[in-house]
Amino acid sequence: ELKVEQNPLFLSMQEGKNYTIYCNYSTTSDRLYWYRQDPGKSLESLFVLLSNGAVKQEGRLMASLDTKARLSTLHITAAVHDLSATYFCAVDRDDKIIFGKGTRLHILP
Amino acid sequence: GAVVSQHPSWVICKSGTSVKIECRSLDFQATTMFWYRQFPKQSLMLMATSNEGSKATYEQGVEKDKFLINHASLTLSTLTVTSAHPEDSSFYICSARPSWELEQFFGPGTRLTVL
Repeated sequence: ELKVEQNPLFLSMQEGKNYTIYCNYSTTSDRLYWYRQDPGKSLESLFVLLSNGAVKQEGRLMASLDTKARLSTLHITAAVHDLSATYFCAVDRDDKIIFGKGTRLHILP
Repeated sequence: GAVVSQHPSWVICKSGTSVKIECRSLDFQATTMFWYRQFPKQSLMLMATSNEGSKATYEQGVEKDKFLINHASLTLSTLTVTSAHPEDSSFYICSARPSWELEQFFGPGTRLTVL
């Protein structure tokens, strides 16, 4: 059974700081996703990572994938308040997407 | 491109009634659509996979007679919550997968409140 674990589940940090969210998964996968969810809203796709060593960056967010370690990271650089949200990683296997529990990120001004 | 809509965006109903939620892929054909449920402060849980023209595949623990799924065309899937109860109150999100790739595109969600 494919399991996806994120940590931390809650993160409160100050603006301007850097931090990393980790995502481990238990079996091999076709691809890994990172999503953002704002309160009361659906998912916004951030990154799709396909291969070992993949790194993608968009603004202050950077995602990487290590398929050998079954680990993905989402790094936040110089956080700003607008990045406050819940971030989910998800793994695609056998035509299904399995989600982690999510990381609730709260950035203090 | 790859826009998915849901209707309604929110619905309030009385216990015992049935509610239908529509999921449409607006600018692409989706051979496969997925239905998720999300309780407050929790993650998304896959309920079922819906394939056009065939029966849906339900995840373990999801009652197929309670959550009726119909995927009548390549752009429309419906989820009917039958005999709804307060514990069915949740955020229901659908996604659609284009025929040309593996990525899913998510709808805006439907918030169901059962009184």
